[in-house]
Amino acid sequence: GQNIDQPTEMTATEGAIVQINCTYQTSGFNGLFWYQQHAGEAPTFLSYNVLDGLEEKGRFSSFLSRSKGYSYLLLKELQMKDSASYLCAVVDSNYQLIWGAGTKLIIKP
Amino acid sequence: SQTIHQWPATLVQPVGSPLSLECTVEGTSNPNLYWYRQAAGRGLQLLFYSVGIGQISSEVPQNLSASRPQDRQFILSSKKLLLSDSGFYLCAWEGTRFPDTQYFGPGTRLTVL
Repeated sequence: GQNIDQPTEMTATEGAIVQINCTYQTSGFNGLFWYQQHAGEAPTFLSYNVLDGLEEKGRFSSFLSRSKGYSYLLLKELQMKDSASYLCAVVDSNYQLIWGAGTKLIIKP
Repeated sequence: SQTIHQWPATLVQPVGSPLSLECTVEGTSNPNLYWYRQAAGRGLQLLFYSVGIGQISSEVPQNLSASRPQDRQFILSSKKLLLSDSGFYLCAWEGTRFPDTQYFGPGTRLTVL
């Protein structure tokens, strides 16, 4: 079967750095997406990785290791507005998007 | 630029009543369209997707149905709602590259009582 694993919930402090991990086992791999979803709102696109390595976008970075079936989202200089759920999704061999259950990130002052 | 609309934003319906949720996309043509449901505190469950007018693929057998009467219109329906149909319904569009990013509408929060 296809499986995406993320921690259910994480807590971090304002101004700090947090790393949200995602491991996957899918039939094929054609890329990995990260989305941010604030409570009661729709998910919004953050990043897409298809090659190994780190992609940086401002305070957010996403890393991928295809050989390990592993990705992480790194958030720096945390702000209260970063409190949200972060969804990991993998594109399988049929170009279907397989979604993780999401990680709820709580930021404390 | 592309925009995606969903309505209504919230809906409270009695058990056994019908349902019709509408999604429209602007600024793109021939998009792939998706309906998802999200239960409280849970991940996204794919319900239907469509690659063109009249072409619907169902991922979960249940009392819901979908239709795509026009290129940029996607409708989710039910003849008789169940309590378990409550949730946050999200429509998404995707370009036709392989793969492409999915962009979500604002969602409809459905409560079945």
